[in-house]
Amino acid sequence: NAGVTQTPKFQVLKTGQSMTLQCAQDMNHEYMSWYRQDPGMGLRLIHYSVGAGITDQGEVPNGYNVSRSTTEDFPLRLLSAAPSQTSVYFCASRNSPYGTDTQYFGPGTRLTVL
Amino acid sequence: RKEVEQDPGPFNVPEGATVAFNCTYSNSASQSFFWYRQDCRKEPKLLMSVYSSGNEDGRFTAQLNRASQYISLLIRDSKLSDSATYLCVVNMGDSNYQLIWGAGTKLIIKP
Repeated sequence: NAGVTQTPKFQVLKTGQSMTLQCAQDMNHEYMSWYRQDPGMGLRLIHYSVGAGITDQGEVPNGYNVSRSTTEDFPLRLLSAAPSQTSVYFCASRNSPYGTDTQYFGPGTRLTVL
Repeated sequence: RKEVEQDPGPFNVPEGATVAFNCTYSNSASQSFFWYRQDCRKEPKLLMSVYSSGNEDGRFTAQLNRASQYISLLIRDSKLSDSATYLCVVNMGDSNYQLIWGAGTKLIIKP
């Protein structure tokens, strides 16, 4: 049971490039989320999904797209990278729709945009 | 004012000591509360939920003070392995969208 996996672990992009951050979970969780973590700030929700085929925006969705074609996978796409998107990105999943349920995080992707 | 505020620290504490830190939240309608632990350059992991009556898990005790709108985390007999950043999380509703994360308090346990 691998839990939540993310690839790549590190990435450097040039301004304007696009890329996809991969996230997968093998716990059959319905709920998955993408967060970004910046120095001196709490985690901020980018997008989330309550099940295959259903996604919604979080607090900071601009510049990012998501899709959820299967229960297991929840990729995050950067459309046209900007230096402001330099951050650590975490994918998370949990079993239930309730905020009280434990979230399991992937190891993160450290993204630098030059 | 930030919705969830934590003292960033670092708290430098000798091994074996007791340390406590608080987290204040601005929304009195907040419904549930959590402490997560994050090791350097790692992902956050749930440490404990915070119940209205307070709860204890080994050396860790979490308390909620609704009147003053803060939660606390107390660590007794601190270990070197307790060195980490402790993140406060407040859920203002039932959905993931309403989770608000503090920026964390860094704790360093010194031998």
